[in-house]
Amino acid sequence: EAQVTQNPRYLITVTGKKLTVTCSQNMNHEYMSWYRQDPGLGLRQIYYSMNVEVTDKGDVPEGYKVSRKEKRNFPLILESPSPNQTSLYFCASSPFSSGANVLTFGAGSRLTVL
Amino acid sequence: LAKTTQPISMDSYEGQEVNITCSHNNIATNDYITWYQQFPSQGPRFIIQGYKTKVTNEVASLFIPADRKSSTLSLPRVSLSDTAVYYCLVGERTGGFKTIFGAGTRLFVKA
Repeated sequence: EAQVTQNPRYLITVTGKKLTVTCSQNMNHEYMSWYRQDPGLGLRQIYYSMNVEVTDKGDVPEGYKVSRKEKRNFPLILESPSPNQTSLYFCASSPFSSGANVLTFGAGSRLTVL
Repeated sequence: LAKTTQPISMDSYEGQEVNITCSHNNIATNDYITWYQQFPSQGPRFIIQGYKTKVTNEVASLFIPADRKSSTLSLPRVSLSDTAVYYCLVGERTGGFKTIFGAGTRLFVKA
């Protein structure tokens, strides 16, 4: 089944403890992206990647890092999480031919930073 | 990137047709219009995409006037399960990799 898989789905952590949210897709998509969703603010783009070793900032990149060493994986790294990074995170991918606007999303990762 | 404006919320009853309009005055020549549906705590799901005139698939229709400054998502005969948030996005089909989701339209379908 074609899908985007995120892990963990739920995580409670403490301020300053580094964590990684993994994202993997099995559709051979070139484009991958991370979003966060907060009540009343909709979906905001954190980082995106057009292909292996090519990443760029979205609208809210502060406090996050990403890497794209393999086509299928696009992990989101929080080096020193803070409470304002408590949010619902979504990873998404799309084929290059459809640009950024026909996205397949993962099920989401709910992160709480205490 | 073209900014989009949608109504914040809409109410409807089961069996009715629902039309959600999105305004995108600064749409560029290469931009496509794409709609997504999102249920609570789930990732958005692609519904339909179009460039001009009318597009129809098994779940919705998309109407785009000649000036392309707005578009209307039409959901025929909605059911309770269509209660969700609907997002309108405007961007290039190739390239244009920064994606902006607006606040979306929260549709509530009542029995």
